[in-house]
Amino acid sequence: EAQVTQNPRYLITVTGKKLTVTCSQNMNHEYMSWYRQDPGLGLRQIYYSMNVEVTDKGDVPEGYKVSRKEKRNFPLILESPSPNQTSLYFCASSLLADFVYNEQFFGPGTRLTVL
Amino acid sequence: DQQVKQNSPSLSVQEGRISILNCDYTNSMFDYFLWYKKYPAEGPTFLISISSIKDKNEDGRFTVFLNKSAKHLSLHIVPSQPGDSAVYFCAASQIDRGSTLGRLYFGRGTQLTVWP
Repeated sequence: EAQVTQNPRYLITVTGKKLTVTCSQNMNHEYMSWYRQDPGLGLRQIYYSMNVEVTDKGDVPEGYKVSRKEKRNFPLILESPSPNQTSLYFCASSLLADFVYNEQFFGPGTRLTVL
Repeated sequence: DQQVKQNSPSLSVQEGRISILNCDYTNSMFDYFLWYKKYPAEGPTFLISISSIKDKNEDGRFTVFLNKSAKHLSLHIVPSQPGDSAVYFCAASQIDRGSTLGRLYFGRGTQLTVWP
């Protein structure tokens, strides 16, 4: 089954404790992206990647890191999480040729709470 | 500053009637506009898109209209069904080999409730 998986689905952590949210897709997509969803703010893009070893900043990259060492994986790293990073996070992927006008496939989301 | 705006946080429509969700944008360079639907506890799913060179695109019960001069687009759902109850996000993208390639700009979403 074609899908985007994220782990963990739920995470409660404390300020300053490094964490990684994994994202994996099995569709051989070149393009992958991370978003956060906050009440009243909609979806905001954090980082995206056009292919292996190619990443770039979205709207709200501060406090986040990403890497794209393999085509299927695009982990989101919070080196020193803070309470303002409490949010619902989504990973998405698509074929490189498609994402501007066609669908991105979204993962189920990761609910992160930073205390 | 938000480049894609959905000014109505919610919309309530009776089953069988038309639902019209609106979206405004500020960047005249956007090439494509997309609508995504999101149910609770799930990721967004793609619904329909339209190129900036068109003014209408239709897919079953869903039609998107684009008015470039007004920088406005709308999603029409006819007839509305209770299963359409979800948050609808408008998004825009730009085909530019520069710094904006890869960026997708979303609005804040509109919660649609279709009641029987």
